[in-house]
Amino acid sequence: QKEVEQNSGPLSVPEGAIASLNCTYSDRGSQSFFWYRQYSGKSPELIMSIYSNGDKEDGRFTAQLNKASQYVSLLIRDSQPSDSATYLCAVNWDDSSASKIIFGSGTRLSIRP
Amino acid sequence: GAVVSQHPSRVICKSGTSVKIECRSLDFQATTMFWYRQFPKQSLMLMATSNEGSKATYEQGVEKDKFLINHASLTLSTLTVTSAHPEDSSFYICSARDPRSAGNIQYFGAGTRLSVL
Repeated sequence: QKEVEQNSGPLSVPEGAIASLNCTYSDRGSQSFFWYRQYSGKSPELIMSIYSNGDKEDGRFTAQLNKASQYVSLLIRDSQPSDSATYLCAVNWDDSSASKIIFGSGTRLSIRP
Repeated sequence: GAVVSQHPSRVICKSGTSVKIECRSLDFQATTMFWYRQFPKQSLMLMATSNEGSKATYEQGVEKDKFLINHASLTLSTLTVTSAHPEDSSFYICSARDPRSAGNIQYFGAGTRLSVL
């Protein structure tokens, strides 16, 4: 059973602070990792993709990957109220018949003014 | 990012009718598309993988005769909810895999909110 685990939250962070979102996955062979943001009533939108160990930065967002620990995280610097959403961690999974993305259940983030 | 169009955005129908939802990749050819369902305050549940030119692959517990998937072209996949009932009311979201991306990135359509009366 391939699994992607996230803390459901809600995670409450003051405006301007750093929000840290964490995710673990069970398939040691996974090579591609993604963070999606989903606002209430909307579909997910891609924020970051990461494939190699280490950090990847894009604006206020930094994704961190540690394949040895099977751990991927997302940092949001200078958090804004507009960052309040559910953040979905997703991991690519390949088997003999298909390649698909497995999603975590999401972490609800709330940025308080 | 790539653009995936989903239509309609909202459907209200009577119990027993069938509803078709379209998913189009607008700026790339997608041999693989995915259909998800999401109930309120729950995560995405993968229903099936839609493969261009072949039969869809359904996840365990998803009735293939209830949720018909057709992927007749490289830019279009359709999901038909047959004989819809109130318990089928949900948010249905499609995604398409961008073959140009390094890591099989999926881009999502805007979703279809289905309400069955």
